[in-house]
Amino acid sequence: AQSVTQLGSHVSVSEGALVLLRCNYSSSVPPYLFWYVQYPNQGLQLLLKYTSAATLVKGINGFEAEFKKSETSFHLTKPSAHMSDAAEYFCVASQGGSEKLVFGKGTKLTVNP
Amino acid sequence: SQTIHQWPATLVQPVGSPLSLECTVEGTSNPNLYWYRQAAGRGLQLLFYSVGIGQISSEVPQNLSASRPQDRQFILSSKKLLLSDSGFYLCAWKTGGETQYFGPGTRLLVL
Repeated sequence: AQSVTQLGSHVSVSEGALVLLRCNYSSSVPPYLFWYVQYPNQGLQLLLKYTSAATLVKGINGFEAEFKKSETSFHLTKPSAHMSDAAEYFCVASQGGSEKLVFGKGTKLTVNP
Repeated sequence: SQTIHQWPATLVQPVGSPLSLECTVEGTSNPNLYWYRQAAGRGLQLLFYSVGIGQISSEVPQNLSASRPQDRQFILSSKKLLLSDSGFYLCAWKTGGETQYFGPGTRLLVL
């Protein structure tokens, strides 16, 4: 069965520092991949998605992610963290044609002033 | 543009009481609709999904049921709530493609 692993349930960075949130998927067939962000007591907001068109995907709020098939990874990055980036981030996979999303356990990002 | 609404935003209910949570989508037709539960420390769990009016697929046998009386309306119900039903309930939709879009959620606390 497909699985998604997010390394680090908590990540802490300083304001202005690089944000790197790690995600690895397990699938012999590259799935569709997504990053969602969840602010406290809110729903999930789509940050970006990989659908095989391009390996480097740019999303909202300055985030981007690179799909690396050889590493089965889809890490999320942002060059300079802002206080407003503090939230929980979910890496999610979907196999084409399936109604089920496979969620990572989430990474809570803290941004220190 | 498409929008998704969930009602109510928060709910506190006693054990054994009934439940009805509503999700409506605007600006699209014939969406696939989904109910998820997010419990503390347990991630997101798909509960039900629907590909059309009256069509419900259940992913996890439990104390809950779902209905889709109209194209853009999805309802989550229970006849008797359990303590374990507490959590954050999220509705989502998609049309074509693979991307699901989530609503604002309903926080349910069963006491």
